[in-house]
Amino acid sequence: KQEVTQIPAALSVPEGENLVLNCSFTDSAIYNLQWFRQDPGKGLTSLLLIQSSQREQTSGRLNASLDKSSGRSTLYIAASQPGDSATYLCAVRRYSGGGADGLTFGKGTHLIIQP
Amino acid sequence: DTAVSQTPKYLVTQMGNDKSIKCEQNLGHDTMYWYKQDSKKFLKIMFSYNNKELIINETVPNRFSPKSPDKAHLNLHINSLELGDSAVYFCASSQFTSGSSSFGPGTRLTVT
Repeated sequence: KQEVTQIPAALSVPEGENLVLNCSFTDSAIYNLQWFRQDPGKGLTSLLLIQSSQREQTSGRLNASLDKSSGRSTLYIAASQPGDSATYLCAVRRYSGGGADGLTFGKGTHLIIQP
Repeated sequence: DTAVSQTPKYLVTQMGNDKSIKCEQNLGHDTMYWYKQDSKKFLKIMFSYNNKELIINETVPNRFSPKSPDKAHLNLHINSLELGDSAVYFCASSQFTSGSSSFGPGTRLTVT
């Protein structure tokens, strides 16, 4: 059974800092890993998708890495801004020949960027 | 253009009632999903469905049933609602070959 753990559960930092969110998963047989952000009372916004054959993906100030063999991913946020405040969710998609598997989510990191 | 849409956004109902939540995607994806986000904000897969197979999470009560009239729609029907069914339900879709999942805005269900 796949389990996804995110550390830390909560993080509060001053504006401008670079920060790292961590995600680990127990079963390395994954198809891909996806990072989302969720604002209070809102849906999920996809940030980055890393396929199992990839090592990292970048989008603007965000960089996500994947080490499938060790079951780890990190989300790096550069020059944090108050608008980055949200809950960040890590999710993995199990590989299966059938193809219709959903995502297994971690419990998220609640991030607050102080102005 | 909304990629994944759900209706209604809010649903308040009494125990024992039957209700449905509708979902539509205009992304041309071949697979659709329902997720439940509980009071502790933990998201968990309920169903995965494409035109070939339905995968049901074994923890989902059989009072919940997905119904797909076509590839762009996956509705969630819930019978005999219970207090514990109160949660936010998210619809999502993906194209299996690319794997990126897109989520709807969620439906907040409150059972009184």
